[in-house]
Amino acid sequence: GENVEQHPSTLSVQEGDSAVIKCTYSDSASNYFPWYKQELGKGPQLIIDIRSNVGEKKDQRIAVTLNKTAKHFSLHITETQPEDSAVYFCAGRYNFNKFYFGSGTKLNVKP
Amino acid sequence: NAGVMQNPRHLVRRRGQEARLRCSPMKGHSHVYWYRQLPEEGLKFMVYLQKENIIDESGMPKERFSAEFPKEGPSILRIQQVVRGDSAAYFCASSPGVSGNTIYFGEGSWLTVV
Repeated sequence: GENVEQHPSTLSVQEGDSAVIKCTYSDSASNYFPWYKQELGKGPQLIIDIRSNVGEKKDQRIAVTLNKTAKHFSLHITETQPEDSAVYFCAGRYNFNKFYFGSGTKLNVKP
Repeated sequence: NAGVMQNPRHLVRRRGQEARLRCSPMKGHSHVYWYRQLPEEGLKFMVYLQKENIIDESGMPKERFSAEFPKEGPSILRIQQVVRGDSAAYFCASSPGVSGNTIYFGEGSWLTVV
C-alpha cells in the first residue's frame, strides 16, 4: 500500500527564519498532496495542497513544491512567526479517495 | 457553512464498556473517514464510508471496532469492550466524494479508558 515518509520529526527555528518540511511517497499513482496544520487539542486544518500536474504552489508565506520524478514534496514557510508553531502533516491521495499521512513534524518557532 | 462536527469531544470509559463516537460531515459531503491518533503520533487510517456503504475498512482492527454511516444521521464509530490501548484521539473527516477533492477534519473525540 501507500507509504508517506516525513522529515524532520521536530524542527526548531528562530522567528523570521524559514522552515522546510519534506515528504516522500511510494505510489507513483498518487496525484494529490495536501498539507495540514494541527494545533494542540485541535483537528488538522488544511493549509495548502498541490496536484500532480503542478510543480509549485504558493499562498502568502507558505509554498509547496512537488518533484514527481523523485516522488517527494516539500512545505516551505517563510518569515516564520510564533503562531506557526504546531504539528504539520503531509498526506498523499491514491486509489481514488484514500489518504495516507506522514508521521508529522513538530515545528517550534522561537521568538 | 458548518464544518465537520464530532461529539462527544471528550469521553471517559472504564475497561470493558462501549464507546460510541459520532460524526456529522460538512454540508454537501457524502463521504466520511475515520482516523486514530495516539499521543505524539500521526494519523492512522481506519475506515472510509459513504452513506450505507463501507468503501474501505482496511485500517480497522478486526475485533471490537465497527463503523457505519446510515442514510439518515451521523456516522458512528463504535468500540466495544474498550481496553486502555484504545485511549486516543479519533478524528473524522469528510469529502464531497468526487475525485479531486480534499478531506476536511473535525476537532476530534478524545477517548480515555480508565
